[in-house]
Amino acid sequence: NAGVTQTPKFRVLKTGQSMTLLCAQDMNHEYMYWYRQDPGMGLRLIHYSVGEGTTAKGEVPDGYNVSRLKKQNFLLGLESAAPSQTSVYFCASSQNLLAGETQYFGPGTRLLVL
Amino acid sequence: AQTVTQSQPEMSVQEAETVTLSCTYDTSESDYYLFWYKQPPSRQMILVIRQEAYKQQNATENRFSVNFQKAAKSFSLKISDSQLGDAAMYFCAYRRNFGNEKLTFGTGTRLTIIP
Repeated sequence: NAGVTQTPKFRVLKTGQSMTLLCAQDMNHEYMYWYRQDPGMGLRLIHYSVGEGTTAKGEVPDGYNVSRLKKQNFLLGLESAAPSQTSVYFCASSQNLLAGETQYFGPGTRLLVL
Repeated sequence: AQTVTQSQPEMSVQEAETVTLSCTYDTSESDYYLFWYKQPPSRQMILVIRQEAYKQQNATENRFSVNFQKAAKSFSLKISDSQLGDAAMYFCAYRRNFGNEKLTFGTGTRLTIIP
């Protein structure tokens, strides 16, 4: 049981390049999330999805797009990377949106934008 | 807006001793959840313990327990019999019990275990 996996683990981009981060979960969870973690700050929600084919903006959505074409996958795209997007990105999933529901996190993707 | 404050950027404790990590939060809500997450060097976020605001009894999970003071808006984590594997960043988080409210995280406390 892999839980939540993220691809790639590490990536270096030049300013203006694009890339897609892939998150996959094998727990049949309805809800998926993308967070970013920056030094000295807690995780901040970028986008989330309440089910296949649906997405919504989180706290810091600018510069990112997402897609949830399959229930088990949640993609995070950067169309034109900027140095301010250098961060560690975490994907998470949960069975439902109840406030007390545990979110299961992936191992993170470290992104460096030069 | 809700805020979560962890005023201790770093803490250290001798192995087998007890340590308490502090967390305060600001909210006007009465119905919410509080969490402590652990982030070891592997970077994966792991739920340690969860507390519902309406429950007066403090949550406990093995060596981990919380001291939840709702009036003071304080939510500290106590780790008993500290082990080397407890070394990690610990994040306090808040979530309002309403719809699809997001988790609000504190800035974290790095815990070092001294052998």
